[in-house]
Amino acid sequence: KAGVTQTPRYLIKTRGQQVTLSCSPISGHRSVSWYQQTPGQGLQFLFEYFSETQRNKGNFPGRFSGRQFSNSRSEMNVSTLELGDSALYLCASRRDRGTSDTQYFGPGTRLTVL
Amino acid sequence: AQSVTQLGSHVSVSEGALVLLRCNYSSSVPPYLFWYVQYPNQGLQLLLKYTTGATLVKGINGFEAEFKKSETSFHLTKPSAHMSDAAEYFCAVSPISGTYKYIFGTGTRLKVLA
Repeated sequence: KAGVTQTPRYLIKTRGQQVTLSCSPISGHRSVSWYQQTPGQGLQFLFEYFSETQRNKGNFPGRFSGRQFSNSRSEMNVSTLELGDSALYLCASRRDRGTSDTQYFGPGTRLTVL
Repeated sequence: AQSVTQLGSHVSVSEGALVLLRCNYSSSVPPYLFWYVQYPNQGLQLLLKYTTGATLVKGINGFEAEFKKSETSFHLTKPSAHMSDAAEYFCAVSPISGTYKYIFGTGTRLKVLA
């Protein structure tokens, strides 16, 4: 069974630009969550999508947005990039049978903002 | 609100020695508990999780963790460290009811000395 895939793996952008990251969950998984990982702040929850609807949201500005498609694939968008947005962005999927359900993580997209 | 504390951002052990990584949670109701490992430039991989039942949980790569409700702890151990165990380890909690959201600890970087 294929794992969670994320594209691209590496991305370099400049301040003010926008970026879209993509995540394909494990087949059969309906929930997709996004996390930002930085050395200073650690792993921070961005948002979670289920059945094309945002179900939970972390404490990030509106520049961070996402969506989920009918096939459960998800995209995350960051507009007006800032230097502080440089991070590893991780996507995780789960089958969604309850809060005990395990999240499976992708390899991440390393975003560098210059 | 739930929180997770991992004592020691860096831990060094000699090869063959006991590994002990500490995790304490703060929650009025014991949550579900997870340990993940992250190798450089990779996503997070589930080591083990506790949901219900036996409080001593065995995971992959020889790791195990014990849920102690009285101490609100879920420490991760391995009897004998191997060089390949060098990585960052994250403890996470998920509520047993209500809004689904993983809360991660700040991580512990394990170094194994030859």
